[in-house]
Formats: sequence, structure tokens, C-alpha cells
Amino acid sequence: DAGVIQSPRHEVTEMGQEVTLRCKPISGHDYLFWYRQTMMRGLELLIYFNNNVPIDDSGMPEDRFSAKMPNASFSTLKIQPSEPRDSAVYFCASRSQGSPLHFGNGTRLTVT
Amino acid sequence: QKEVEQDPGPLSVPEGAIVSLNCTYSNSAFQYFMWYRQYSRKGPELLMYTYSSGNKEDGRFTAQVDKSSKYISLFIRDSQPSDSATYLCAMSPNAGGTSYGKLTFGQGTILTVHP
Repeated sequence: DAGVIQSPRHEVTEMGQEVTLRCKPISGHDYLFWYRQTMMRGLELLIYFNNNVPIDDSGMPEDRFSAKMPNASFSTLKIQPSEPRDSAVYFCASRSQGSPLHFGNGTRLTVT
Repeated sequence: QKEVEQDPGPLSVPEGAIVSLNCTYSNSAFQYFMWYRQYSRKGPELLMYTYSSGNKEDGRFTAQVDKSSKYISLFIRDSQPSDSATYLCAMSPNAGGTSYGKLTFGQGTILTVHP
């Protein structure tokens, strides 16, 4: 099992640009989560999906953030336009019913 | 006030020491309690989880939950340099299967075990 795969590992972009983060969950997992980690706020849940359907997006900070899950093996988190305060490590995680949460190794985003 | 409070440290101990990591919380709905370990530049990995109050032991690690005090602990015995990492507590309410991944995390405690 390859685990949760995220790409890119690092992203550096300029303010105002669109950023797309990608995630491939573990095969067979029907829940997918997007978290953001910063020094100030720690790990925060942004949104999660069940069977490709968004269930709770109350953690999404603003309309600039959007997430999609077009199929069971792929999800994206998009920020448009990006701002310096969006700089953080973004984690994708997945699980199946009754199993623990498995995290990817994250995407480190820097917005200058 | 945050729902989950955790001292960020950093905590530095000599090899072989007993380490105590703690979190307090305010939401009495929390029923599942977890400890994650996060190495530098990696995602968090589940170390231990417990349901409701009590103790759970796994090798050198012991997790304790005291719901009456809203206080959880992780003890590491005979600590090793390889235990150097950030330890995050996490919690969720017992509201069905969908809640298990909707975790509320502490800030994380940075631990260094030096030889």
C-alpha cells in the first residue's frame, strides 16, 4: 500500500496566482479529509468528503478556497487567488469506516 | 479558548527518561482520544487511541484518559532518540462513524530525546 499520495511536495507561488493541490487517497478508503497546519493554529480541518460527496466544508476559510473529489481516487484543493496568509502545510488524509486516519506527507505552500 | 490545549514545549530529555505529554480539553462531547506522532517533513501517524476513560498500553507507550478532569496523557518509557518528533493529541465526539476522522487537534509538543 503506497499510502496517501500528495502532490506537489512543495509549491512556491506569487500572491494572486491560482494554486492547485492534489491528493490520491488509499484505495478502498471512502472518507477523504483536507487539513491545514500552521505554527500559529496547528492542524485545522478544512473539508471532508464521504463517497466523493462533500460532507462538511465549514472549515474552509474563504470563498477563495474550493475542493473537489471527481472520483474515489482523486481530490483537489484549489486556492484562487492565493494570498501570503495561505502559506502553510496542507495535508490530505483518508480512512474507511472503523479505521484510523492516514495522512499524506503534505504540500508545503509558500505564497510570496 | 481553544477546545484542546497542549503545551508546545519544546521538551528535551536524556535517553532513557520517562516522558509525559498532556492535553486538556473543554468539549465534554469528546469520546475518542488519539495520539499522533509527526516526524519532521512528514504527515502525522497514529500512535495510540482510546475510547472514553482509562489506560491503554502498547510497548513503551501508555495513554491515559481522565474524562472527569478533561485531561489526557501519553507516557513514553525508556525514551529513545528515535522518539524525537512532534506529538499531537486529537479528539472527536461519539457521533457516529463520520465523526471519527473529524478530529480536533492540539498544537503539538516538540520532543527531543538526546543520547
